[in-house]
Amino acid sequence: GAVVSQHPSWVICKSGTSVKIECRSLDFQATTMFWYRQFPKQSLMLMATSNEGSKATYEQGVEKDKFLINHASLTLSTLTVTSAHPEDSSFYICSARGWDRAGEKLFFGSGTQLSVL
Amino acid sequence: DAKTTQPPSMDCAEGRAANLPCNHSTISGNEYVYWYRQIHSQGPQYIIHGLKNNETNEMASLIITEDRKSSTLILPHATLRDTAVYYCIVRVGAGAGNMLTFGGGTRLMVKP
Repeated sequence: GAVVSQHPSWVICKSGTSVKIECRSLDFQATTMFWYRQFPKQSLMLMATSNEGSKATYEQGVEKDKFLINHASLTLSTLTVTSAHPEDSSFYICSARGWDRAGEKLFFGSGTQLSVL
Repeated sequence: DAKTTQPPSMDCAEGRAANLPCNHSTISGNEYVYWYRQIHSQGPQYIIHGLKNNETNEMASLIITEDRKSSTLILPHATLRDTAVYYCIVRVGAGAGNMLTFGGGTRLMVKP
């Protein structure tokens, strides 16, 4: 099936710095990617929908200036957490719409654990 | 999208069948039932989906009741590696490549 690669798998940063997370579709083109956030023992929460060549659509309550999303190519979307603070510490997961032999599916990256000190 | 209700946790003995229930009493005619699972500290993994007929693939079987108000995911021979959180999601359309709304899921613990 299709593979979505997410990098880095974990990152530790100081408060006030910015962190960039990359999400790549390795063997298919993804016009649409989704970014989720997950706190410990909780479910995934959709943050934004990333569309290639256009502005991302953010869910209610998600600050677009805080979480910058760029989807400049059909295989890469990036999420930049700007001026990170400890409350931004979370597990961030990307996903992309792709195909395998069973049809269209949503494929997920392996996630990025962000810890802000 | 219709809301789903799942038990928060379940245990299963290794080698036995794991039957995970999901209630979706408000499901409408054009909504599909999807199952994903998330192993600790990883991204979710697609398992199976269906509309009204029972479905089977190499990972699991999906049994949907005739009135479609509930479904059961069956892992026929659970292994320790099946320990994960299982999410039942209902949404419109056969295309599974759209954004998904995750509920609480069921934390399945497979024990030796």
